[in-house]
Amino acid sequence: SQQGEEDPQALSIQEGENATMNCSYKTSINNLQWYRQNSGRGLVHLILIRSNEREKHSGRLRVTLDTSKKSSSLLITASRAADTASYFCATVSNTGNQFYFGTGTSLTVIP
Amino acid sequence: NAGVTQTPKFQVLKTGQSMTLQCAQDMNHNSMYWYRQDPGMGLRLIYYSASEGTTDKGEVPNGYNVSRLNKREFSLRLESAAPSQTSVYFCASSEDPGVDTEAFFGQGTRLTVV
Repeated sequence: SQQGEEDPQALSIQEGENATMNCSYKTSINNLQWYRQNSGRGLVHLILIRSNEREKHSGRLRVTLDTSKKSSSLLITASRAADTASYFCATVSNTGNQFYFGTGTSLTVIP
Repeated sequence: NAGVTQTPKFQVLKTGQSMTLQCAQDMNHNSMYWYRQDPGMGLRLIYYSASEGTTDKGEVPNGYNVSRLNKREFSLRLESAAPSQTSVYFCASSEDPGVDTEAFFGQGTRLTVV
């Protein structure tokens, strides 16, 4: 399986704190993406980082990528209750035409 | 914009019954995908279609068939449902994944096989 893995599986924090989740993957990639899934809904794209990039920001999101370690992290700063969701990383290999999703991190932000 | 539309949203089947999950996208995407989501397993690719007229197996294709009816529509068929196919099914579409594009997802079909 080329599926990635997120760590931790579950994370519970207080509103206002930062949330960090990590993703490890197995193959050489073209890019890595992060998605969010609210309970009972489909996944929604958050941010994409290319294989030649090391860090990217979008609003309260910060993504890092270390291709030598085949890992990425997603930081959500100043978390809000509305950030409660599952977060998935997805990779696109540089030889493939598929998205490979990780196992997800379930984030709970306590008001 | 409708994006990716899946039908039905919920379905209960008896073991051995058949059904087709429908998916349509209005973004003129070439690539379409069917995933299943199970607790602790993340999303696993069942089948995908890189363009109209082509389909390829993903990680977990056994027990499923697909049809890329036209550029807009990609259906998933369970010929003889089994309890192991109880899952949430997602359809997605995208431009060519090799060109830094994102996947767009439908709302999912929650299938229970009893």
